[in-house]
Amino acid sequence: GESVGLHLPTLSVQEGDNSIINCAYSNSASDYFIWYKQESGKGPQFIIDIRSNMDKRQGQRVTVLLNKTVKHLSLQIAATQPGDSAVYFCAENNRGSQGNLIFGKGTKLSVKP
Amino acid sequence: DTGVSQNPRHKITKRGQNVTFRCDPISEHNRLYWYRQTLGQGPEFLTYFQNEAQLEKSRLLSDRFSAERPKGSFSTLEIQRTEQGDSAMYLCASTYRAGDGYTFGSGTRLTVV
Repeated sequence: GESVGLHLPTLSVQEGDNSIINCAYSNSASDYFIWYKQESGKGPQFIIDIRSNMDKRQGQRVTVLLNKTVKHLSLQIAATQPGDSAVYFCAENNRGSQGNLIFGKGTKLSVKP
Repeated sequence: DTGVSQNPRHKITKRGQNVTFRCDPISEHNRLYWYRQTLGQGPEFLTYFQNEAQLEKSRLLSDRFSAERPKGSFSTLEIQRTEQGDSAMYLCASTYRAGDGYTFGSGTRLTVV
């Protein structure tokens, strides 16, 4: 079946270090990917997205890398801060669908001061 | 318009009661999605509207669930004869077009006792 999954359920990093959160997807028809950050008791917050015609996209302190060959997505957070502590989800969408996103289970990022 | 608004934020109900949640999307967004999220999991798609038309429903949406978007603006999600297994966070998201960023609300946390 189609699925989006994450390699690591938890990630603990020191403040100031870089963080890398990974995600594997299985639907080769997926052409749009989003990373969301979710804090406790809140809805998912958009971080960055990438389309399948790109392999890298940068935002403020975040970079998303897409490797379509191995169906892998990663989110890199530079100079991780305590405020980055949250659960991070990747989500995929394909052009042929109605636009509903398929989410993975999430990775919990803990930043140690 | 500052984003997607959901009400109530929290709802505690007794098993067997009916509950209704409301979502107000970003005003220019014609696509509206409902998701359900249980603890430790990613959001799961429930149903999708384009304007007032409900175009897709997940098999997760049993016959006790009904959603409406009568004027193509706000949407309601009703659960009849609630069960303890319905306890979850119900999230609403909207977007202007598929594959172009999705904004989530803060969700409604339902607890069925």
